Amino acid sequence: QVQLVESGGGVVQPGRSLRLSCAASGFTFSSYAMNWVRQAPGKGLEWVAVISNDGTNKYYADFLEGRFTISRDNFKNTLYLVINSLRAEDTAVYYCARGMNGFDIWGQGTMVTVSS
Amino acid sequence: EIVMTQSPATLSVSPGERATLSCRASQSVSSNLAWYQQRPGQAPRLLIYGAFTRATGIPARFSGSGSGTDFTLTISSLQSEDFAVYYCQQYNNWPRSFGQGTKLEIK
Repeated sequence: QVQLVESGGGVVQPGRSLRLSCAASGFTFSSYAMNWVRQAPGKGLEWVAVISNDGTNKYYADFLEGRFTISRDNFKNTLYLVINSLRAEDTAVYYCARGMNGFDIWGQGTMVTVSS
Repeated sequence: EIVMTQSPATLSVSPGERATLSCRASQSVSSNLAWYQQRPGQAPRLLIYGAFTRATGIPARFSGSGSGTDFTLTISSLQSEDFAVYYCQQYNNWPRSFGQGTKLEIK
């Protein structure tokens, strides 16, 4: 079945880096744009970034200040998000989601906790 | 950045009744508007895209309307599983943006 599975979250110290992964299955991964969306505890959804189906185009939320990098490997059917210089305010569940216009498939999310 | 504002923040409705949720954009997003449902502990689920088109498998009791800056999600006869948080999202401009959510609770 169509599925997205995130991994790579955990407890990380402030200032460190982290790479999140999203493994896709059940559909032609290389045909779809992919997004990262995050949700801080008890808060709403916050769009983070998108990458086009072939990886040539990327857009980011304004607040990221260049600390986040989205990428993909269409041979491995995997989406990535690298977060550098982690801050407490980056603490959130990070979801990957499929699509450019309306996100029709979501993963279950991976929790990132930034704490010393 | 386009700011999406949802109202009310919390809506209390009895099962079987109709619920009407609103979403307003700070500038026109044409019909490039989606609605999502998020139940506790779950990932969001796409309900509506293109302002009024139901996503695959979404029951007919969910309907969307509006264009430009003002949008509405209507749930015609609330079922127990519909009590959740609902978000609107614009995909007309970069960066994409979500509303802050409306919590639909049982009255």
